Amino acid sequence: EIVMTQSPVTLSVSPGERATLSCRASQSVSSELAWYQQKPGQAPRLLIYAASTRATGIPARFSGSGSGTQFTLTISSLQSEDFAVYYCQQYNNWPPWTFGQGTKVEIK
Amino acid sequence: EVQLVESGGGLVQPGGSLRLSCSASGFTFSKYVMHWVRQGPGKGLEYVSVILSDGGSTYYADSVKGRFTISRDNSKNTLFLQMSSLRAEDTAVYYCVKGMTGATTGDYWGQGTLVTVSS
Repeated sequence: EIVMTQSPVTLSVSPGERATLSCRASQSVSSELAWYQQKPGQAPRLLIYAASTRATGIPARFSGSGSGTQFTLTISSLQSEDFAVYYCQQYNNWPPWTFGQGTKVEIK
Repeated sequence: EVQLVESGGGLVQPGGSLRLSCSASGFTFSKYVMHWVRQGPGKGLEYVSVILSDGGSTYYADSVKGRFTISRDNSKNTLFLQMSSLRAEDTAVYYCVKGMTGATTGDYWGQGTLVTVSS
C-alpha cells in the first residue's frame, strides 16, 4: 500500500498570500494524484485530479503540479473561503485509494 | 446536478449490525464505480470499499474485510454498505463517493452519515 505524506501539518497564511502545500508518495504514482478540500462539517470536495487538472468549477487560483512521488498544491491568493483542510490522494495503485493525513490551512 | 444522499447511520452496540444506503441522482448510476470512504472523529480519510458498475467485482480494506459487504441496486440507483460485527473503531462518518470518468478517483461525495459504535 502506498503511503502519502503531507507537509506541513498546519499552514498559517494571511488572506491574499500564497499557500504552498506538499505531498509525497512512498513510491511513484505517476500523475494519478488528486487534491481535496474539506471544510468543517462538510464532505471533501475534489479540487485537482491528474496532478494538475482542475475539477469542474474550481477557481484558477488553485493549481497542482508534480509527478512521480512529489506533488504540490498552490493557492495563489488565499480567500476567506479557502481556509480548510486539504488532502492529497493517490489512485495509481488502487484499490485502495490512500490519502495523506491532511494539511490545515489556517488564518495567520 | 449530481446528488448522493447517505442514510442509515446511528448508534449501535459493539457486535451489532447496520445497513447504510446511498441514494444517487443526476447521473447514470449504473455506469459508474462507487466507493465508500470513512472518517473517524477528528481523523483523516480512510478508504473502505468499492464496487464496479455492474456489481461484479468488489474490494474491501483489510480493516473491514469479512465484516462489511458492499452492494448496489442499479434499478433503484442505490448503493449499500452492510456492516456487521461492528467495533468501536468503526465509529466514523461514512461517505459514498462517485467514481470519475477518465480517472479512477472520485468526483462527488455525499454529505455523509454518522455511525457510532458504543455501549
